[in-house]
Amino acid sequence: DAGITQSPRHKVTETGTPVTLRCHQTENHRYMYWYRQDPGHGLRLIHYSYGVKDTDKGEVSDGYSVSRSKTEDFLLTLESATSSQTSVYFCAIGGVQTQYFGPGTRLLVL
Amino acid sequence: DAKTTQPPSMDCAEGRAANLPCNHSTISGNEYVYWYRQIHSQGPQYIIHGLKNNETNEMASLIITEDRKSSTLILPHATLRDTAVYYCIVVGGGSNYKLTFGKGTLLTVNP
Repeated sequence: DAGITQSPRHKVTETGTPVTLRCHQTENHRYMYWYRQDPGHGLRLIHYSYGVKDTDKGEVSDGYSVSRSKTEDFLLTLESATSSQTSVYFCAIGGVQTQYFGPGTRLLVL
Repeated sequence: DAKTTQPPSMDCAEGRAANLPCNHSTISGNEYVYWYRQIHSQGPQYIIHGLKNNETNEMASLIITEDRKSSTLILPHATLRDTAVYYCIVVGGGSNYKLTFGKGTLLTVNP
């Protein structure tokens, strides 16, 4: 799987708590992405990074923040989780358009 | 990026060729056609991409019509493990790094 790991793989949390998801790559790719996938909506881009400390918003960035202090790690933070953020989160790495996806993190916000 | 249209579902017999169509009638000259698939509960997987020439790799072939308004992904000998949602995506060749996934086609390979 192109050297991408996500942690945790499953998480249950309560509304209002902060949550951080980690994406780690061993491929030294410049670009990293966070998507969420929900029934009826398909995959939607949350944030992406084009280098260390360089990030930008995707189409559904409200309620999420990201950080990238090292090439290999891209963190997604839900500052105060809400039930609408229950989803499967995928990290991806890659070049311009050819992206390689991680195994996903299933997040349940109660 | 140009919008794509795919059938919501298709069936294929194991061992036969699976031909998945995609319409992208508003594609512009510098836009590529990309195909990804997603097997249940896994992350999407890159399959193949092309600009205007037909392309083949170890996974599949991509046939793009001469006017580039449609394309077909061909899995030459489908197996049960090819059951997945297949996404056709049109992406600009410039600095647009964002993939927009539609609903795709659910291909079911039957024994």
